[in-house]
Amino acid sequence: AQTVTQSQPEMSVQEAETVTLSCTYDTSESDYYLFWYKQPPSRQMILVIRQEAYKQQNATENRFSVNFQKAAKSFSLKISDSQLGDAAMYFCAYSGSGSEKLVFGKGTKLTVNP
Amino acid sequence: DGGITQSPKYLFRKEGQNVTLSCEQNLNHDAMYWYRQDPGQGLRLIYYSQIVNDFQKGDIAEGYSVSREKKESFPLTVTSAQKNPTAFYLCASTPAGVPSIYEQYFGPGTRLTVT
Repeated sequence: AQTVTQSQPEMSVQEAETVTLSCTYDTSESDYYLFWYKQPPSRQMILVIRQEAYKQQNATENRFSVNFQKAAKSFSLKISDSQLGDAAMYFCAYSGSGSEKLVFGKGTKLTVNP
Repeated sequence: DGGITQSPKYLFRKEGQNVTLSCEQNLNHDAMYWYRQDPGQGLRLIYYSQIVNDFQKGDIAEGYSVSREKKESFPLTVTSAQKNPTAFYLCASTPAGVPSIYEQYFGPGTRLTVT
């Protein structure tokens, strides 16, 4: 079974600085998708970014980018120019190609200090 | 506006009682999901449904039941057989049951407390 590991239960960053959240996963599949979801204090889950495993280019969405290392099975999220609104729980998730399910990591709580 | 609604936001029940959590979507999505969220545990899949009148067990289905009589509705019943029902419950939907392709849209969640 696929597993997703987020080794940092909590992280903090100063406003305007850059922070990287780690995620590793275990799979025997070659075709899959990886996601980062954000859950702010309102608890409304929002998709931040998505990466297809067959694409070598790292996905980017404004201040959010990923470092996808397929061989190492690593999928880290970089947040640049951190803002107070970035404070949230961040969940890494995996889905095999054609799979009906998402597998989530346990999350990293990000605090942004003014 | 299209979206997913879950009601109520907070729910309190006595031990031994069944309780039903509501999830409604007006996104015309085919697939719907129920997750349970506990502190430090991430999201765990309880049940999912890809089509009306059909649903499958997720990873932690014991003590829960669902129905899917209408496309827009996917209620979750937490039965008295669930050992630790106190948790935050999230409902989600996608256009089709392939989350690798389609983003999952989440509702605002229901916090269930059983004493």
